[in-house]
Amino acid sequence: AQSVTQPDIHITVSEGASLELRCNYSYGATPYLFWYVQSPGQGLQLLLKYFSGDTLVQGIKGFEAEFKRSQSSFNLRKPSVHWSDAAEYFCAVGALTAGGYNKLIFGAGTRLAVHP
Amino acid sequence: ETGVTQTPRHLVMGMTNKKSLKCEQHLGHNAMYWYKQSAKKPLELMFVYSLEERVENNSVPSRFSPECPNSSHLFLHLHTLQPEDSALYLCASSQVGGGQGYYEQYFGPGTRLTVT
Repeated sequence: AQSVTQPDIHITVSEGASLELRCNYSYGATPYLFWYVQSPGQGLQLLLKYFSGDTLVQGIKGFEAEFKRSQSSFNLRKPSVHWSDAAEYFCAVGALTAGGYNKLIFGAGTRLAVHP
Repeated sequence: ETGVTQTPRHLVMGMTNKKSLKCEQHLGHNAMYWYKQSAKKPLELMFVYSLEERVENNSVPSRFSPECPNSSHLFLHLHTLQPEDSALYLCASSQVGGGQGYYEQYFGPGTRLTVT
Protein backbone atom coordinates (compact mmCIF):
# COMPACT_ATOMS: atom_id res chain seq x y z
CA ALA A 1 0.00 0.00 0.00
CA GLN A 2 1.08 3.54 -0.62
CA SER A 3 2.23 5.52 2.39
CA VAL A 4 4.26 8.57 3.34
CA THR A 5 6.33 8.96 6.50
CA GLN A 6 7.58 12.24 7.87
CA PRO A 7 9.74 11.20 10.82
CA ASP A 8 9.96 14.62 12.45
CA ILE A 9 6.78 15.99 14.00
CA HIS A 10 8.37 19.26 15.15
CA ILE A 11 11.57 20.98 14.09
CA THR A 12 12.98 24.23 15.41
CA VAL A 13 15.71 26.15 13.62
CA SER A 14 17.26 29.56 13.99
CA GLU A 15 16.61 32.20 11.38
CA GLY A 16 19.33 32.04 8.75
CA ALA A 17 20.14 28.40 9.43
CA SER A 18 19.76 25.67 6.85
CA LEU A 19 16.79 23.33 6.89
CA GLU A 20 16.12 19.78 5.84
CA LEU A 21 12.74 18.09 6.30
CA ARG A 22 12.65 14.37 5.76
CA CYS A 23 10.12 12.37 3.79
CA ASN A 24 10.04 8.67 2.97
CA TYR A 25 7.46 7.05 0.79
CA SER A 26 6.24 3.60 -0.08
CA TYR A 27 4.94 3.18 -3.60
CA GLY A 28 5.24 0.38 -6.12
CA ALA A 29 5.80 2.41 -9.26
CA THR A 30 7.61 5.62 -10.12
CA PRO A 31 6.04 8.10 -7.72
CA TYR A 32 4.68 11.55 -8.25
CA LEU A 33 5.97 13.49 -5.24
CA PHE A 34 4.94 16.78 -3.70
CA TRP A 35 5.69 19.14 -0.86
CA TYR A 36 2.93 21.42 0.39
CA VAL A 37 3.11 24.13 3.06
CA GLN A 38 0.28 25.21 5.35
CA SER A 39 0.42 28.43 7.33
CA PRO A 40 -1.85 28.72 10.38
CA GLY A 41 -5.51 28.99 9.41
CA GLN A 42 -4.73 28.55 5.73
CA GLY A 43 -5.03 25.90 3.07
CA LEU A 44 -2.18 23.98 1.48
CA GLN A 45 0.14 25.71 -0.95
CA LEU A 46 2.18 23.66 -3.41
CA LEU A 47 5.91 24.23 -2.88
CA LEU A 48 7.28 21.88 -5.50
CA LYS A 49 6.71 18.61 -7.30
CA TYR A 50 8.67 15.77 -8.84
CA PHE A 51 7.23 13.84 -11.78
CA SER A 52 10.31 12.68 -13.69
CA GLY A 53 13.67 13.86 -14.97
CA ASP A 54 16.17 15.78 -12.87
CA THR A 55 16.04 14.42 -9.34
CA LEU A 56 16.75 17.83 -7.80
CA VAL A 57 13.71 20.06 -8.17
CA GLN A 58 13.38 23.72 -7.38
CA GLY A 59 10.27 25.22 -5.90
CA ILE A 60 8.87 28.49 -4.69
CA LYS A 61 10.19 30.51 -1.74
CA GLY A 62 13.75 29.20 -2.22
CA PHE A 63 12.94 25.57 -1.43
CA GLU A 64 14.34 22.55 -3.23
CA ALA A 65 13.89 18.80 -2.86
CA GLU A 66 15.87 15.79 -3.98
CA PHE A 67 14.33 12.51 -5.10
CA LYS A 68 16.42 9.49 -4.14
CA ARG A 69 14.89 6.31 -5.48
CA SER A 70 17.35 4.02 -3.67
CA GLN A 71 16.32 5.51 -0.34
CA SER A 72 12.64 6.07 -1.19
CA SER A 73 13.10 9.62 -0.01
CA PHE A 74 12.12 13.10 -1.10
CA ASN A 75 13.68 15.48 1.41
CA LEU A 76 12.95 19.19 1.38
CA ARG A 77 15.77 21.68 1.86
CA LYS A 78 16.34 25.40 2.19
CA PRO A 79 19.79 26.95 2.62
CA SER A 80 18.70 29.86 4.82
CA VAL A 81 15.41 29.90 6.71
CA HIS A 82 13.35 33.05 7.17
CA TRP A 83 10.96 33.68 10.05
CA SER A 84 8.08 33.61 7.55
CA ASP A 85 8.87 29.94 6.80
CA ALA A 86 7.35 28.90 10.12
CA ALA A 87 4.45 26.66 9.09
CA GLU A 88 3.49 23.02 8.72
CA TYR A 89 4.99 21.10 5.82
CA PHE A 90 3.37 18.08 4.19
CA CYS A 91 4.97 15.55 1.90
CA ALA A 92 2.63 13.65 -0.41
CA VAL A 93 2.75 10.95 -3.04
CA GLY A 94 0.32 10.97 -5.93
CA ALA A 95 -1.18 8.04 -7.75
CA LEU A 96 -3.40 7.70 -10.76
CA THR A 97 -6.52 5.70 -10.01
CA ALA A 98 -8.81 3.50 -12.02
CA GLY A 99 -11.60 5.77 -10.88
CA GLY A 100 -10.31 8.54 -13.12
CA TYR A 101 -8.87 10.95 -10.60
CA ASN A 102 -5.53 11.77 -9.04
CA LYS A 103 -5.12 10.42 -5.53
CA LEU A 104 -2.85 12.11 -2.97
CA ILE A 105 -1.50 10.31 0.10
CA PHE A 106 -0.18 12.71 2.71
CA GLY A 107 2.32 12.34 5.49
CA ALA A 108 1.40 13.49 8.97
CA GLY A 109 3.27 16.75 8.55
CA THR A 110 6.27 18.47 10.14
CA ARG A 111 5.70 21.65 12.10
CA LEU A 112 8.56 24.12 11.66
CA ALA A 113 9.30 26.80 14.24
CA VAL A 114 11.86 29.51 13.50
CA HIS A 115 13.74 31.27 16.29
CA PRO A 116 14.96 34.83 15.69
CA GLU B 1 -11.28 35.73 -7.58
CA THR B 2 -8.41 33.42 -8.37
CA GLY B 3 -7.49 29.88 -7.44
CA VAL B 4 -9.81 27.94 -5.16
CA THR B 5 -12.14 29.78 -2.81
CA GLN B 6 -14.18 28.42 0.08
CA THR B 7 -17.05 29.89 2.08
CA PRO B 8 -17.64 30.33 4.90
CA ARG B 9 -14.15 30.40 6.41
CA HIS B 10 -15.51 29.65 9.87
CA LEU B 11 -18.71 27.87 10.89
CA VAL B 12 -20.13 26.98 14.27
CA MET B 13 -23.15 24.72 14.26
CA GLY B 14 -25.19 22.68 16.67
CA MET B 15 -25.65 18.96 16.23
CA THR B 16 -29.20 19.39 14.94
CA ASN B 17 -28.41 22.12 12.41
CA LYS B 18 -28.15 21.81 8.64
CA LYS B 19 -25.49 23.83 6.88
CA SER B 20 -23.53 23.76 3.65
CA LEU B 21 -19.92 24.46 2.74
CA LYS B 22 -19.19 25.94 -0.66
CA CYS B 23 -16.12 25.64 -2.86
CA GLU B 24 -15.44 27.34 -6.18
CA GLN B 25 -12.44 26.88 -8.43
CA HIS B 26 -11.34 29.47 -10.99
CA LEU B 27 -8.64 27.33 -12.62
CA GLY B 28 -10.59 25.59 -15.37
CA HIS B 29 -10.10 22.20 -13.73
CA ASN B 30 -12.42 19.24 -14.14
CA ALA B 31 -11.98 17.39 -10.84
CA MET B 32 -12.77 18.56 -7.32
CA TYR B 33 -12.06 17.05 -3.92
CA TRP B 34 -13.16 17.35 -0.29
CA TYR B 35 -10.63 16.62 2.46
CA LYS B 36 -10.98 16.59 6.24
CA GLN B 37 -8.07 17.78 8.39
CA SER B 38 -8.36 16.95 12.09
CA ALA B 39 -5.82 17.63 14.78
CA LYS B 40 -3.20 14.90 15.02
CA LYS B 41 -4.51 12.99 12.00
CA PRO B 42 -3.28 13.02 8.40
CA LEU B 43 -5.40 14.64 5.76
CA GLU B 44 -8.32 12.38 4.89
CA LEU B 45 -9.83 12.31 1.43
CA MET B 46 -13.63 12.35 1.69
CA PHE B 47 -15.10 12.74 -1.78
CA VAL B 48 -13.92 13.15 -5.36
CA TYR B 49 -15.82 14.43 -8.36
CA SER B 50 -14.22 13.89 -11.75
CA LEU B 51 -15.97 15.40 -14.78
CA GLU B 52 -18.91 16.17 -12.47
CA GLU B 53 -19.37 12.52 -11.53
CA ARG B 54 -18.68 11.25 -8.04
CA VAL B 55 -15.86 8.73 -8.34
CA GLU B 56 -14.84 8.32 -4.73
CA ASN B 57 -16.74 8.17 -1.47
CA ASN B 58 -14.17 7.26 1.10
CA SER B 59 -16.44 5.56 3.67
CA VAL B 60 -17.77 8.90 4.80
CA PRO B 61 -20.84 8.92 7.08
CA SER B 62 -24.12 9.84 5.41
CA ARG B 63 -24.42 12.99 7.52
CA PHE B 64 -21.98 14.45 4.96
CA SER B 65 -23.54 14.84 1.52
CA PRO B 66 -21.57 16.27 -1.42
CA GLU B 67 -22.96 17.98 -4.48
CA CYS B 68 -21.18 19.05 -7.66
CA PRO B 69 -23.58 20.99 -9.92
CA ASN B 70 -20.84 21.86 -12.45
CA SER B 71 -17.07 21.59 -12.82
CA SER B 72 -16.45 24.87 -10.98
CA HIS B 73 -18.58 24.39 -7.89
CA LEU B 74 -18.61 21.87 -5.09
CA PHE B 75 -20.76 21.77 -1.98
CA LEU B 76 -20.68 19.75 1.20
CA HIS B 77 -24.07 19.54 2.91
CA LEU B 78 -23.94 18.86 6.63
CA HIS B 79 -26.68 17.61 8.94
CA THR B 80 -26.87 16.10 12.42
CA LEU B 81 -23.12 16.30 12.87
CA GLN B 82 -21.21 15.06 15.89
CA PRO B 83 -18.59 16.96 17.91
CA GLU B 84 -15.88 14.72 16.44
CA ASP B 85 -16.70 16.18 13.04
CA SER B 86 -15.12 19.45 14.12
CA ALA B 87 -12.19 19.95 11.76
CA LEU B 88 -10.79 22.00 8.90
CA TYR B 89 -12.52 21.04 5.66
CA LEU B 90 -10.40 21.63 2.60
CA CYS B 91 -11.48 21.72 -0.99
CA ALA B 92 -9.09 21.07 -3.85
CA SER B 93 -9.22 20.92 -7.61
CA SER B 94 -7.10 19.46 -10.38
CA GLN B 95 -7.14 18.59 -14.00
CA VAL B 96 -7.71 14.95 -14.93
CA GLY B 97 -7.32 13.11 -18.21
CA GLY B 98 -5.77 14.73 -21.27
CA GLY B 99 -3.02 12.16 -21.59
CA GLN B 100 -0.38 13.93 -19.48
CA GLY B 101 -0.77 11.57 -16.58
CA TYR B 102 -0.72 13.11 -13.15
CA TYR B 103 -1.85 16.65 -12.37
CA GLU B 104 -1.25 18.40 -9.08
CA GLN B 105 -4.06 19.48 -6.79
CA TYR B 106 -4.65 23.08 -5.73
CA PHE B 107 -6.24 23.74 -2.38
CA GLY B 108 -8.58 26.35 -1.00
CA PRO B 109 -8.10 28.05 2.39
CA GLY B 110 -10.52 25.72 4.15
CA THR B 111 -13.58 26.07 6.35
CA ARG B 112 -12.96 25.71 10.09
CA LEU B 113 -16.02 23.83 11.38
CA THR B 114 -16.90 23.60 15.05
CA VAL B 115 -19.79 21.36 16.11
CA THR B 116 -21.24 22.17 19.52
